Amino acid sequence: GAGVSQSPSNKVTEKGKDVELRCDPISGHTALYWYRQSLGQGLEFLIYFQGNSAPDKSGLPSDRFSAERTGGSVSTLTIQRTQQEDSAVYLCASRQTGLDAYEQYFGPGTRLTVT
Amino acid sequence: AQSVTQLDSQVPVFEEAPVELRCNYSSSVSVYLFWYVQYPNQGLQLLLKYLSGSTLVESINGFEAEFNKSQTSFHLRKPSVHISDTAEYFCAVSPITGGGNKLTFGTGTQLKVEL
Repeated sequence: GAGVSQSPSNKVTEKGKDVELRCDPISGHTALYWYRQSLGQGLEFLIYFQGNSAPDKSGLPSDRFSAERTGGSVSTLTIQRTQQEDSAVYLCASRQTGLDAYEQYFGPGTRLTVT
Repeated sequence: AQSVTQLDSQVPVFEEAPVELRCNYSSSVSVYLFWYVQYPNQGLQLLLKYLSGSTLVESINGFEAEFNKSQTSFHLRKPSVHISDTAEYFCAVSPITGGGNKLTFGTGTQLKVEL
């Protein structure tokens, strides 16, 4: 079946602009995660959605970052007033929930470059 | 909180030679342990995991990892590597309970297999 998809695959934006990154999780997966992969920081957790519960935003680096998940499926990560340090690959992952559901399935990522 | 240390950022090795990629972790709670692999220009894929039971776990392509609780380690090994194993390898942990199975990653080890 279809895996996790993300769009766009690449995004170049000017410093100060807002960007939106999209994630389509695997159908039926109720848990959704955003991570960031950057040269200086490695792979970092950003935010986690589980069903209708309030998201865990503990990894968001600043209030310029926000995310939403509509209808329990598609998620959008928004970065306002982008800065050069926001340049990174943004990865989305989804997971089933249940007793043995531990594996997160990752999308191909969105490479964000802030100039 | 959890942390993961991968001391080797790069490991060059000749084809058919053995390899060990080191991973140590720190956590105040019990964790699941994972190795993810990222092949060039591809997304993250789960290579193997330790959840419980036998401390030696194996993947379908010949890698194995051993969970050592006393040394808080989860080193990845392969007795004979192939060119196609060239990739970046990430060790990760997630809490067994609570925390939404958020992954904490190490900084990655780039395995380069040479002829």
